[in-house]
Amino acid sequence: EAGVAQSPRYKIIEKRQSVAFWCNPISGHATLYWYQQILGQGPKLLIQFQNNGVVDDSQLPKDRFSAERLKGVDSTLKIQPAKLEDSAVYLCASSLVISQVSYNEQFFGPGTRLTVL
Amino acid sequence: SQQGEEDPQALSIQEGENATMNCSYKTSINNLQWYRQNSGRGLVHLILIRSNEREKHSGRLRVTLDTSKKSSSLLITASRAADTASYFCARTRTTLGRLYFGRGTQLTVWP
Repeated sequence: EAGVAQSPRYKIIEKRQSVAFWCNPISGHATLYWYQQILGQGPKLLIQFQNNGVVDDSQLPKDRFSAERLKGVDSTLKIQPAKLEDSAVYLCASSLVISQVSYNEQFFGPGTRLTVL
Repeated sequence: SQQGEEDPQALSIQEGENATMNCSYKTSINNLQWYRQNSGRGLVHLILIRSNEREKHSGRLRVTLDTSKKSSSLLITASRAADTASYFCARTRTTLGRLYFGRGTQLTVWP
């Protein structure tokens, strides 16, 4: 079974530039997550989709970050414009449909390491 | 902060020894999970323990949960060099809710 795919693996940009990350979840996984992991910290959830609808985007800095999952499969996360403090690893994860009675483990991709100069 | 604390921040042991990592949190939980992250790679789910469970085992892993003390521990027995990684606990308050990760424990196992 193929895992969660992410691209690019590394990206270096200058502040105020734009950047986009792509994620393809495991086939059949309805729930998709984007996390930001700053060096030395644990991942922080930015946005959670179930199919193509947003479940939780309370921690997404909406003035500069946006994400979409138009067909309920792959997803893109965009930062425009980037700031120095956006330097981090951006992780995508997916899981089967979550419900009130069950919880499915999240499967993580390898991440995209973003450096903002 | 809902992230809580993991203790210790770093742990260094010899192969064959046991490694114990602790996780404390501040709010009620639905379940608590442990993840492993090897250097420069994504996270791998290790084990999930629900709020009504006290102990779970998976291979060389043993997880305990004390909801009265709002704490959990992960024990890795007979550690191997391949266990070298960062270990994170993550809490969720509901089955639909977000995962809150701690800062992690960096485990180094020397051959």
